[in-house]
Formats: sequence, C-alpha cells, structure tokens
Amino acid sequence: GAGVSQSPSNKVTEKGKDVELRCDPISGHTALYWYRQSLGQGLEFLIYFQGNSAPDKSGLPSDRFSAERTGGSVSTLTIQRTQQEDSAVYLCASSPGQPPVVLHFGNGTRLTVT
Amino acid sequence: AQSVTQLGSHVSVSEGALVLLRCNYSSSVPPYLFWYVQYPNQGLQLLLKYTTGATLVKGINGFEAEFKKSETSFHLTKPSAHMSDAAEYFCAVSVSGAGSYQLTFGKGTKLSVIP
Repeated sequence: GAGVSQSPSNKVTEKGKDVELRCDPISGHTALYWYRQSLGQGLEFLIYFQGNSAPDKSGLPSDRFSAERTGGSVSTLTIQRTQQEDSAVYLCASSPGQPPVVLHFGNGTRLTVT
Repeated sequence: AQSVTQLGSHVSVSEGALVLLRCNYSSSVPPYLFWYVQYPNQGLQLLLKYTTGATLVKGINGFEAEFKKSETSFHLTKPSAHMSDAAEYFCAVSVSGAGSYQLTFGKGTKLSVIP
C-alpha cells in the first residue's frame, strides 16, 4: 500500500502570493495532521483532522493559514499572503486514529517564500 | 500539557561506538513515548514506541529505549553505531484528551557517525 503522499515536493513563491499544499493520507486512516518543520525549531503542530472535521486547530499560527479535508481523505493546507517567515517544510501525517497515536509521515513540501 | 526536551542538538560518535540520545518528557498523565528518525529530504519514520508494559522497548535497526518513570526519561541507545545511522532523531510524547491525539516533538538531535 502507498504511504502518505504530499505535493508539490518543493514550492517557491513570491511574498504575498497564496499557496496550496496537498496531502493524500494512507487509505483508511481517519486522523490527519499537519506539522511545520523549521530549521532548528523541531516540529510544530498546526492542525489535526478526525474525518473531515478539525477538533484541534490550535497550532495554526495566524488567520492566513487554513486547512480542509474532504471525503475523509485528501487535505489541503492553504497559506494566504505568504511571508518570508512561512518558509519551512510542511509535513503531513496520518494515523488510524486510535491511541496510541502512531503517525505515518509524508516526505513533506519544502516552501520557500522569496 | 506535555513537553519533550532532547539534550544535545548534535551528537557525534565513532563508527562502532555506543549511541546514546537523551530525551526527557513532561506529562501530567501516563504518556505514550516515541522515537522517530528522519533521513535527509524525507519524512519521519517510526523507530520504536512505548505504550504500556515492558519498559525496555526494542525498535528497528538495532535501537532500543528504556522508559524510566522516576526520571521522566526515554533515552535511545544502540550498542554499535553504523554509518547508515547518521540522521536526525526526534523524541515525541502523546497523551489522550482534548479531542486530539497529537504528538508533541522535541527539537531533534542530529547524529553524525565518524568513520
């Protein structure tokens, strides 16, 4: 079976533009997570989906960040009016949804804002 | 709220030497504990996990970790380092509650193996 797939793998955008990052989780995984990885900062939790709803979006850094999940599967993370500090690797992970949570990660999208 | 502290952002060992990567956690309830490894330009891969039961946990690639509640630690070890072990290692803690089973990660330890 396929693992978690993220696209694009790399994205370069100009400051002020909007970007969309996509995540295809492992089939059947009900839980989906977005993390941000910045140099020297470890992994920063952004948002958690259970099915199509997001019971925990406490990690989204500003209202420029939003995410949705449709059909209990694909998720899109959208960043509006990108800033240079948004440059990072955005990692998506999925899980069967029952504790203990074991996350299966995609290879990430490296976002560079120029 | 839970938290994880990894001591040492960068550790260097000689090939064949013991690998010891340190992790301490903070949690108000019994935690689930994890070690993940990240190779360059890849996502994170699970090395091992502690849930309940035996406190010494064995994982892939010869790694193991011991849960010590009294010390709130979950250090990762491997008796003999191999060049292929060079990567970044992340310790993580998970607890249930608040509708989210998110993992909280440490900042990572980059392991270099010297030939």
